[in-house]
Amino acid sequence: GAGVSQSPSNKVTEKGKDVELRCDPISGHTALYWYRQSLGQGLEFLIYFQGNSAPDKSGLPSDRFSAERTGGSVSTLTIQRTQQEDSAVYLCASSSLRNEQFFGPGTRLTVL
Amino acid sequence: KQEVTQIPAALSVPEGENLVLNCSFTDSAIYNLQWFRQDPGKGLTSLLLIQSSQREQTSGRLNASLDKSSGRSTLYIAASQPGDSATYLCAVVSGTYKYIFGTGTRLKVLA
Repeated sequence: GAGVSQSPSNKVTEKGKDVELRCDPISGHTALYWYRQSLGQGLEFLIYFQGNSAPDKSGLPSDRFSAERTGGSVSTLTIQRTQQEDSAVYLCASSSLRNEQFFGPGTRLTVL
Repeated sequence: KQEVTQIPAALSVPEGENLVLNCSFTDSAIYNLQWFRQDPGKGLTSLLLIQSSQREQTSGRLNASLDKSSGRSTLYIAASQPGDSATYLCAVVSGTYKYIFGTGTRLKVLA
């Protein structure tokens, strides 16, 4: 595809449920990032994947958050036992060799 | 620890005006700097990427400059249009991949 895609675009869930968010990066981009953007806030780094290297998980806010990237392409971010404070827009980006980041449209997560 | 600040937080200008958005960072050892725009409810759109060895980049009505020694970048928008209304974010890359984002400048161009 031409750009980074994310699904679903919107997700409403009940507190305590698990959710899975998907990111499809630009073909050929080896680096993939997940960020979280809360209402009126800046972007919060969550996790970084680069090729087959071990991911940088230093931004994950708790052990309820995990992410994987299969085959060096598609990535899924999983949030277990969701809490209301997890409500935010989750953004995925992939980057070229020049380190120029390209973002997907985001998934808006609402935890009731 | 790298910190990125954008001033002003919000700006309203009449259509046609030239304007400058500011981005400052505390650690000059950056790999590159990227400017984005974000429309409400949308993801980020890349505007310009300046590598650490460069001093400026231009795209259409946009010009971004970088002064690493003073920890500053500016985004100049010429002849602003209502369609330029958005939040503008700058991000610096420290190390080889870690992006640190500013909190953005919310721009409104009045018709």
